Amino acid sequence: NAGVTQTPKFQVLKTGQSMTLQCAQDMNHEYMSWYRQDPGMGLRLIHYSVGAGITDQGEVPNGYNVSRSTTEDFPLRLLSAAPSQTSVYFCASSSRRPGETQYFGPGTRLLVL
Amino acid sequence: AQSVTQLDSQVPVFEEAPVELRCNYSSSVSVYLFWYVQYPNQGLQLLLKYLSGSTLVKGINGFEAEFNKSQTSFHLRKPSVHISDTAEYFCAVSLPGGKLIFGQGTELSVKP
Repeated sequence: NAGVTQTPKFQVLKTGQSMTLQCAQDMNHEYMSWYRQDPGMGLRLIHYSVGAGITDQGEVPNGYNVSRSTTEDFPLRLLSAAPSQTSVYFCASSSRRPGETQYFGPGTRLLVL
Repeated sequence: AQSVTQLDSQVPVFEEAPVELRCNYSSSVSVYLFWYVQYPNQGLQLLLKYLSGSTLVKGINGFEAEFNKSQTSFHLRKPSVHISDTAEYFCAVSLPGGKLIFGQGTELSVKP
């Protein structure tokens, strides 16, 4: 049982490049989400999904795209990277029962030059 | 709108001293409250959570938190900290549907 996995661990991009951050979970969780972590700002929700085929925007969705074709996978796409997207990105998953714990992946550190 | 405020961005403390990390929330609906810990270069892991019932919640590593509805607070405490408790601590509110709203985080630095 690997929990929540994220790849890559670290990535450097040039402004304007695109990339996909991968997230997978093996706990059969319906709910998955992406956060970005910036100093002094805590974690901010980018996008989330309550099940395969269903996604919705969080607090800071601009510049990011998601899809959820399977229960296990929830990739995050950066369409045209900008320096403001330099951050640490975390994926999380949980069941949809009220009060359930969210389990976090180890994070992807992204640097956009 | 729901929000979470962690009142201290950094808390330095000496080893074996007690510590309190403060968290206030605002919400117009009943919420579930969480404390997560993030050790350097790692993801977040759950310390404890309040769902209902007793207002004093015990978590891992000797931490506990008290839910105070009248003051809309959920402060985290430990009576005696260790060097290994050095980490960033996040308070969070869970909304219906599963979304988490996080506070800004508190860096706990335990010095020998």
